[in-house]
This record gives sequence, structure tokens and C-alpha cells, in this order.
Amino acid sequence: GDSVTQTEGLVTLTKGLPVMLNCTYQTTYSPFLFWYVQHLNEAPKLLLKSSTDNKRTEHQGFYATLHKSSSSFHLQKSSVQLSDSALYFCALSDFTGGLSGKLTFGEGTQVTVIS
Amino acid sequence: NSKVIQTPRYLVKGQGQKAKMRCIPEKGHPVVFWYQQNKNNEFKFLINFQNQEVLQQIDMTEKRFSAECPSNSPCSLEIQSSEAGDSALYLCASLRDNYEQYFGPGTRLTVL
Repeated sequence: GDSVTQTEGLVTLTKGLPVMLNCTYQTTYSPFLFWYVQHLNEAPKLLLKSSTDNKRTEHQGFYATLHKSSSSFHLQKSSVQLSDSALYFCALSDFTGGLSGKLTFGEGTQVTVIS
Repeated sequence: NSKVIQTPRYLVKGQGQKAKMRCIPEKGHPVVFWYQQNKNNEFKFLINFQNQEVLQQIDMTEKRFSAECPSNSPCSLEIQSSEAGDSALYLCASLRDNYEQYFGPGTRLTVL
């Protein structure tokens, strides 16, 4: 079945520094990947999505590129802010396999930004 | 911003009790999903609906959980006999036709 792997469970960094959160996936279908951000006691919110190979997608200063050759969709930001402290989830949809679109989530990465 | 509404926000039940939670998806979103997020922040897909029909569900959902999405009424997820391991955040999401799922704030269930 589908799977998503996020290798960093916890990332702590200083405001203004860059960050990269790793995401790799396995699927037999054409991949459709998402990044969600979840602040404490809030709903997960869609941050980025992509199904296009080697095309960078950006939103709110975050960016990611889907690389089908390496099955990766890493999330990056050039300069983190205190407000970026949150849980970040990479997720894979099964929609392209003709199924219902359910998401398979990675384990999540807790990002803490300190001043 | 998501307009998925979930009630109640918090639910406390004893073991063996029924636990019911509701979700109103965004208007015009044809597919509704339920996920369970446990204390380790791991997500588990439970069930989804399109126009009141179940599309997919996992085994656990078939046995102790019941869910429905009647027309003109909120969707609901009910645990027939709650267990301590059911303590989690239950998230409802609705799917736009462009693959994007929008989540509600969740119902946090605590089973004592």
C-alpha cells in the first residue's frame, strides 16, 4: 500500500534560519503530494500540493518540488519565523489511482522556532 | 480558510459508552472523510462518503464504529462501545473537486 516517511520528528531552529523537512513516499499510482501544517489545537491546514514532476510550488514563503525519480517532496523555507512553530505533515492522496482520495500521512515533524 | 464544522469540540465518555460526533462539510464538497489522530499525532483513515454512500472504510470502522452522511443533515461518526484506545482527535475533512481536503477543528474524545 501507499506510505509516506518523514525522517525528522523534531526540529528546533532559530528565527531567520532556513529549514528543510524531508518527505519521501511509496505508491503504485501517479503521486499527488501535499504538505499540511497544524498549529496547536487547530485543524490541519493545506500548505502546498503538487502532482507535477520537477515543478516548484510555493505558498506563504514555503516551497517544495515533487521529484518522482527520488520519490521525494521536501518542504523548505528560506527564513523561518516564530509563527512557523507547528506540526508539519506530508501526505499522499490515492485519488489518482481511481480511488476516493483518502490521504496517507507521514509521521509528522514538530518544528519549534526560537528567538 | 476551512469552513468544516465539527461538534462537539470535546467529548468525555466512560468505557463502554457510546460516543457520537458530528461534522458539517463545506457546501458543495462532495466527499467527506473521517480520520483519527492519536496522541502520537499519527493519522488513521476511518471512512469516507460521497453523497451518503460509503466509498471506503477500514476494518475497525466496520466493527465498532458507525457513520453516516444523510442528505440535508450533518455527517456523524459514532463509536458504539468506547475503549480507552479510542481516545484521540477525530477529524472530519471535505474534498473539493481539485483533490484538496479541508479539515475541521476536530472532536477530541477522551475515554476514561
